Formats: sequence, C-alpha cells, structure tokens
Amino acid sequence: DAKTTQPPSMDCAEGRAANLPCNHSTISGNEYVYWYRQIHSQGPQYIIHGLKNNETNEMASLIITEDRKSSTLILPHATLRDTAVYYCIVRGSNDYKLSFGAGTTVTVRA
Amino acid sequence: GAVVSQHPSWVICKSGTSVKIECRSLDFQATTMFWYRQFPKQSLMLMATSNEGSKATYEQGVEKDKFLINHASLTLSTLTVTSAHPEDSSFYICSARDGAEGGNSPLHFGNGTRLTVT
Repeated sequence: DAKTTQPPSMDCAEGRAANLPCNHSTISGNEYVYWYRQIHSQGPQYIIHGLKNNETNEMASLIITEDRKSSTLILPHATLRDTAVYYCIVRGSNDYKLSFGAGTTVTVRA
Repeated sequence: GAVVSQHPSWVICKSGTSVKIECRSLDFQATTMFWYRQFPKQSLMLMATSNEGSKATYEQGVEKDKFLINHASLTLSTLTVTSAHPEDSSFYICSARDGAEGGNSPLHFGNGTRLTVT
C-alpha cells in the first residue's frame, strides 16, 4: 500500500471548517483514499473514501487532486465532538487490510 | 449501518492466565476479520487477518501461539491471549469486512477491548 503523510496535529475553531491534508504521492491507479477517525479510547470510525472524484457525505467532503498525489478531508462545521485522531489511508480494492500511520490529532477549540 | 460488537470492552486478568476477546458482526456476514493492537499514544498495529473457516494469517513479529485467533463462523471471530503478561496490556480492536460489499468498501471496526494484565 502507498504510504501517506499527514501533519501530526492541528487546531481548529468550533463552527469553522477544518481542512485536513494528506499526501500520498506514491499512490497507484487502483488504490483508494480512505479517511477514518479515532476518538479517545474508541475504535476507528469510517468517514469517507474515494478513488479520483471528489466525494461528499453527511460527515465530510473529500477533495482529491487531479494527479491523485494528495487529498484534503473537509469537516464543514467542526464541533467539539470532532476532536480526534484522523487517519488518511491508501488501500487497493483487492487488499482489504488497512495500515494505520500516525494520523493527525485534531483539536477543536471553543 | 454495519455494526461490529466487541466483548468485553475491558478486562483485567492476572499474569499467566488466558483471556478471550469476541468480535461479532451484528448485521452482516464477515468473510474477513482483522485484529489490531494499540499501545498508549501509538497508532493501530495490525496483528492478524482471519478468514472464515481457515487459519489466520499473522503479521511479522506476532506470535501465533500466543495470540490464538478463531473465525469459526461468518459472524464471530475470537482472539485469545494465552499466558498473558503485563507487556500484553493493550487496546485490542477488531474490524470486519462485509462479504456482500465490493472490494473497495470500508472496513467496520469494533469499539475495542482494553486488556490490563496485573
């Protein structure tokens, strides 16, 4: 699986949009980008995934650059409950394993 | 949505005893399940992959005789930590793949089991 690079931490203000970057410059053509988050002492929670088109669901939006070498997860209106570690993971469709990196610790402040 | 249930959510055991952790898919058939371990302030580390009806595949460095995995049905996988020692104290998390979904479908995670060995 392609390796991903994320900033170790970021702060954002409650009610504002949170933009979380992820670099995956070695991604291959059949690999998807997945985002999960882990709130303290809980299991990871799936957020969103995509291949090359931008995706949106009730939780977030995923913007993937045209060359697919990076992506951004957007939480449109961050709340205090969005404080968590966010993981960007690249995975092929035939390889079901997920390998977690260090992620980005996001702290939403009032 | 798909739900994965882990039991127990926390357990304390004495050194030398064995502990069994259950992972159930509640509303789907899990053809593949994964077991992770997470130490404090670290990321999740994959321990093993289990496919229903076959032997688990362990990641490098994970002792298969110490961490026994059984995936006897499409809705249940168990992890048994045998002869537990304090260094096995960790947060154990399972995840499952819905066999009815496509190859790019997301994995579903349980809420983890906090194991403390005294």
